[in-house]
Amino acid sequence: EAGVAQSPRYKIIEKRQSVAFWCNPISGHATLYWYQQILGQGPKLLIQFQNNGVVDDSQLPKDRFSAERLKGVDSTLKIQPAKLEDSAVYLCASSAGPYSYEQFFGPGTRLTVL
Amino acid sequence: TQLLEQSPQFLSIQEGENLTVYCNSSSVFSSLQWYRQEPGEGPVLLVTVVTGGEVKKLKRLTFQFGDARKDSSLHITAAQTGDTGLYLCAGAWYGGATNKLIFGTGTLLAVQP
Repeated sequence: EAGVAQSPRYKIIEKRQSVAFWCNPISGHATLYWYQQILGQGPKLLIQFQNNGVVDDSQLPKDRFSAERLKGVDSTLKIQPAKLEDSAVYLCASSAGPYSYEQFFGPGTRLTVL
Repeated sequence: TQLLEQSPQFLSIQEGENLTVYCNSSSVFSSLQWYRQEPGEGPVLLVTVVTGGEVKKLKRLTFQFGDARKDSSLHITAAQTGDTGLYLCAGAWYGGATNKLIFGTGTLLAVQP
């Protein structure tokens, strides 16, 4: 069974530029999560989707971050414009459903904002 | 705001030594999970503990959930270099329409040969 796929793996941009990350969850997983992990810290949830609807985006900085999961499968996370403090690893995870305890993580996208 | 504090933050030991990592909170969780994350990879689930006082063993790793379901510990016996990584605890609770997961601050373990 294929795992969670993410691309790109690395991205370097200048501040005020835009960037987008892509995630393809495990086939059949209805719930998709985007996390931000700053170096040396645990992941912080940015947004959670159930199918193509948003369940929780309370910690998403909505003035610059946006995310969508139009067909309830893959998802994109966008930052526009980027700030220096956005430098982090962006992890995508999926689970079978909203009450499933186990989340499966992708390898992440390491973003560096200069 | 629910917080999970892990200690120690960093740990460097020799192969063969034992170690314990702690995960503490003032909040009660429905369950608690432990993940290991290697450089350049996402976290991988090691274990889920659900019942207060529960103890689970995974080869040389022993996980315990506190009686009050607010804290947990991970004990590694005879550490090996392959145990090197970032260990994360994560507390889960029912948040309305979904289970919510909050991650701890992490413990970076380096096992030297």
